[in-house]
Amino acid sequence: NAGVTQTPKFRVLKTGQSMTLLCAQDMNHEYMYWYRQDPGMGLRLIHYSVGEGTTAKGEVPDGYNVSRLKKQNFLLGLESAAPSQTSVYFCASSYSRGYTFGSGTRLTVV
Amino acid sequence: EDQVTQSPEALRLQEGESSSLNCSYTVSGLRGLFWYRQDPGKGPEFLFTLYSAGEEKEKERLKATLTKKESFLHITAPKPEDSATYLCAVQAQTGANNLFFGTGTRLTVIP
Repeated sequence: NAGVTQTPKFRVLKTGQSMTLLCAQDMNHEYMYWYRQDPGMGLRLIHYSVGEGTTAKGEVPDGYNVSRLKKQNFLLGLESAAPSQTSVYFCASSYSRGYTFGSGTRLTVV
Repeated sequence: EDQVTQSPEALRLQEGESSSLNCSYTVSGLRGLFWYRQDPGKGPEFLFTLYSAGEEKEKERLKATLTKKESFLHITAPKPEDSATYLCAVQAQTGANNLFFGTGTRLTVIP
């Protein structure tokens, strides 16, 4: 029972490159979320999903896209990475109120 | 607009020295207030959920309380292993279970 698994754990991108972050949960949760965490800013919601095939924008969605083709997976895409997207990205899932977080992906855009 | 303010930003305690962390919030109808612990390089770990003013919950040396405007996380006789960043988050009655986080309090317990 792994909970929420994020891959990769670390990544360095050049400006303009693209990449996809993968989040997988094995708890059969309906809701999934992508947050970014920056020093002094706290966790900010990027996108979220209330079920398979659905996605919605959060507080800071610009520059990101998401997909939820399978209930257990939630993908976060960066089409053209910018230095401002250097951050730690956390995925979470929930069934009603409680969240379970993954261990994070540290992304550096140079 | 939902707002969560945590204080202090950082707190250093001697082992055994009790203290409290504060979380002040503004939300359009509170569904729940959450406390998480985050260790360096790891994701937040769930501690408590409080749903209504007057509610209290305890876990080992931690006790969380809730009023209509703020929540406190009381730490009794802390140990070095309690050192972490403590995050507070609110969930509004509207919206898809989204949590709105404060910036956290970084706690250091010195042996």
